[in-house]
Parts: sequence; structure tokens; C-alpha cells
Amino acid sequence: DQQVKQNSPSLSVQEGRISILNCDYTNSMFDYFLWYKKYPAEGPTFLISISSIKDKNEDGRFTVFLNKSAKHLSLHIVPSQPGDSAVYFCAASWTSGGSYIPTFGRGTSLIVHP
Amino acid sequence: KAGVTQTPRYLIKTRGQQVTLSCSPISGHRSVSWYQQTPGQGLQFLFEYFSETQRNKGNFPGRFSGRQFSNSRSEMNVSTLELGDSALYLCASREGTVTGELFFGEGSRLTVL
Repeated sequence: DQQVKQNSPSLSVQEGRISILNCDYTNSMFDYFLWYKKYPAEGPTFLISISSIKDKNEDGRFTVFLNKSAKHLSLHIVPSQPGDSAVYFCAASWTSGGSYIPTFGRGTSLIVHP
Repeated sequence: KAGVTQTPRYLIKTRGQQVTLSCSPISGHRSVSWYQQTPGQGLQFLFEYFSETQRNKGNFPGRFSGRQFSNSRSEMNVSTLELGDSALYLCASREGTVTGELFFGEGSRLTVL
């Protein structure tokens, strides 16, 4: 039973355009959401996060939007660059034993064409 | 500051064998988590250690175990290896107990033949 779903395994975008990566979750206990980026042969690296008390968080070209009523979040990358080509993982977490344990989606492979 | 270091990076085992993977967290990080990544399955949580105690455990069989030492270094062990255990095993560390940001190592790629 997937609690965090990334329904698009891949996404192809032209350089300079917007990339929108989507993520849905089912567990209403989740209160902290993160996006990680992963290049081949490397570990995932943290990209951006958002708390459930907010509906938007922005960091440079990256913006995450959270719609709690729809249990949906999205990552917008504007403008997209070829170096953004990677696998993007959405993750959601809640307080469990005093520690947030992120539950990850299966990832979306983003390809940005020059 | 050095990042999270995992050893070995690659290894090949046969069914029935056991394997031990090692992880050195970022200096000062007391929490270490382990994840398994397989094609199409994303990152699945194995367990988390904090101050030498297993604080959380994922839904994996008892063949998967781990421990953490007083210097925060961690090891995970998989016994009686199965073909389905072939995966990238990722270790992640973080500073405190509440932050959600994990710092990952490059992973140990295990192939079971």
C-alpha cells in the first residue's frame, strides 16, 4: 500500500520551460514534505521541503506547493535546465518516536532537453 | 565536513550468504537510517538508529538487521541472501531528532547471484 505516490515515472521538458512534478499521499498524519533529487551513481540530495502549515515554499528556481485538502503536492522548476535531469523523489513524514521518518515515492525521472 | 561514507560501494554475493554494509555518518550526526532502493520501488525504509538504539523499523523480514556504535557509525547485515535482495542500500544521517532532512551516502550496490 503506497502512501506516497508519484504517478508519472518520467517527464520530458524543453530547456527554459517549466517542469511540474506531482506527488499524492494518502496518510493524513503526514505533516512534513520533502523533495530529493538523485543523479545516477549518487545518493539522493535534499532539494526543498514544506511544512503542512504552509501551502508554498520557494527556493530559487524551485517551488513546492502543498494542497492539504487534496493530499497533493507539486514541485515546479522554472526555468528548467539540462542539469536538472535526474530522478526526483517526493517524501512525506510525521513524528514517530520523536523522529520524522520520511516515506518516499517511487520517483519521477526528469529529462530536460537542450 | 566529510559527507556520509558507505562501504563497500559494490559487492556481489550468492544466495544463502550474508553481507555486512557499513556507514559512517557526517560528523556530529547521531541519527542513521538505512533505505533499500530497487528499480521501480523507490526508497524503502529499513531502520533508524539514534544513540546506539534502534528507534524505528520498516517492514522488512528479520534477515535484515543493523546496529549503531558509540561513534554513530552504523552497520547493517542481511543474512541468508535472496535474489530479491539485490538493490542499492542507502545510508542517511541527520543531526537532530525532529528535522526531516536526511543526508545520504552514495550507497552500496549489492548484487545477489
